[in-house]
Amino acid sequence: GQSLEQPSEVTAVEGAIVQINCTYQTSGFYGLSWYQQHDGGAPTFLSYNALDGLEETGRFSSFLSRSDSYGYLLLQELQMKDSASYFCAVIGSWGKLQFGAGTQVVVTP
Amino acid sequence: GAGVSQSPSNKVTEKGKDVELRCDPISGHTALYWYRQSLGQGLEFLIYFQGNSAPDKSGLPSDRFSAERTGGSVSTLTIQRTQQEDSAVYLCASSLGAGGRTGELFFGEGSRLTVL
Repeated sequence: GQSLEQPSEVTAVEGAIVQINCTYQTSGFYGLSWYQQHDGGAPTFLSYNALDGLEETGRFSSFLSRSDSYGYLLLQELQMKDSASYFCAVIGSWGKLQFGAGTQVVVTP
Repeated sequence: GAGVSQSPSNKVTEKGKDVELRCDPISGHTALYWYRQSLGQGLEFLIYFQGNSAPDKSGLPSDRFSAERTGGSVSTLTIQRTQQEDSAVYLCASSLGAGGRTGELFFGEGSRLTVL
């Protein structure tokens, strides 16, 4: 089976940096994705890591260590609009995506 | 269409009734997923289609739940004899290529089901 763990909530001020960790257990691992979801909205794709290392996309970066079954999403220069839930998702056998429970990021002025 | 389309957007039904939820994926996307999300919770995997076949039905909560996909396009999720615990937002997503190997799913806005 698959399981993912991520913190339930993180609070930070505007302009700060936030790191959301994700640890996973799975068979047939292909990669780790990150999604953002605002209240009442649909999840939207942020990033994908298939290989070890850091992927940077603007203010957001994502990291993967396959040997440690660990990844993180780094949010830099936090803005109020970044207040949302962030989900890590493991891509396993058959291309199935299994999501974590999500991390609520609260950005304060 | 431009994105994943789901209908109805909202459905209120009485306990014991059957409901059908529809998903129209992005044209050309071969993989289609159904997830369920309860208020403030994560996304619970239900079923995954590659083309018209479902390699993984492991997430369907009970035999009251079924799904089909025809023509490699539209999918219908059917819940029979609905129960109050079925109340949730049902999200559909599609992806290009064989499964979610690019890690990128495109989600619809969801169908909010309320069972009274």
